[in-house]
Amino acid sequence: DQQVKQNSPSLSVQEGRISILNCDYTNSMFDYFLWYKKYPAEGPTFLISISSIKDKNEDGRFTVFLNKSAKHLSLHIVPSQPGDSAVYFCAASLEKLTFGTGTRLTIIP
Amino acid sequence: DAGITQSPRHKVTETGTPVTLRCHQTENHRYMYWYRQDPGHGLRLIHYSYGVKDTDKGEVSDGYSVSRSKTEDFLLTLESATSSQTSVYFCAIAETGLFSTDTQYFGPGTRLTVL
Repeated sequence: DQQVKQNSPSLSVQEGRISILNCDYTNSMFDYFLWYKKYPAEGPTFLISISSIKDKNEDGRFTVFLNKSAKHLSLHIVPSQPGDSAVYFCAASLEKLTFGTGTRLTIIP
Repeated sequence: DAGITQSPRHKVTETGTPVTLRCHQTENHRYMYWYRQDPGHGLRLIHYSYGVKDTDKGEVSDGYSVSRSKTEDFLLTLESATSSQTSVYFCAIAETGLFSTDTQYFGPGTRLTVL
């Protein structure tokens, strides 16, 4: 039973445009949500997070939106850059982290 | 970068053989985790530790055991490797284990192939 889902395995975006990565979850008890970025042959690195009591958190080019009623999380990257090409995992916490399956983002120069 | 190393980085072994993966940290963090990453599954928690000699199971712990005799080392053992354990294994560390104020830092991973 996948409690955290990323339904798009891959996404291609033109450089300079907005990238939107989506994540859905089923457990309303999750209290914190995180996004990790992963390059090939490296471990995931923390990108941005949001508490369940907020609906938006911004850090530079990265913004995470949380819609609790829809149990939906999204990551916006504006503007997209070639170095953003990676696999992005969303994760939800309830004592431990539950990860989604990942979305491979490719930025086209 | 958090000081986390994993060894070996790559390993090929045969079904039925024992395998031990090592995670070493220099951050003196209390929490350590072992995950596996497989296509279509993302990262799944195998075992974690919240202190020396204190460990607990994750969602995919069957066939795996762990030990933590020192703060800096967390060992993952496959007693008798099976082909279903072919995967990329990541170690992670965290200072408090509270994700509201903390985050997990991941090691570079170990690619394990069981033939």
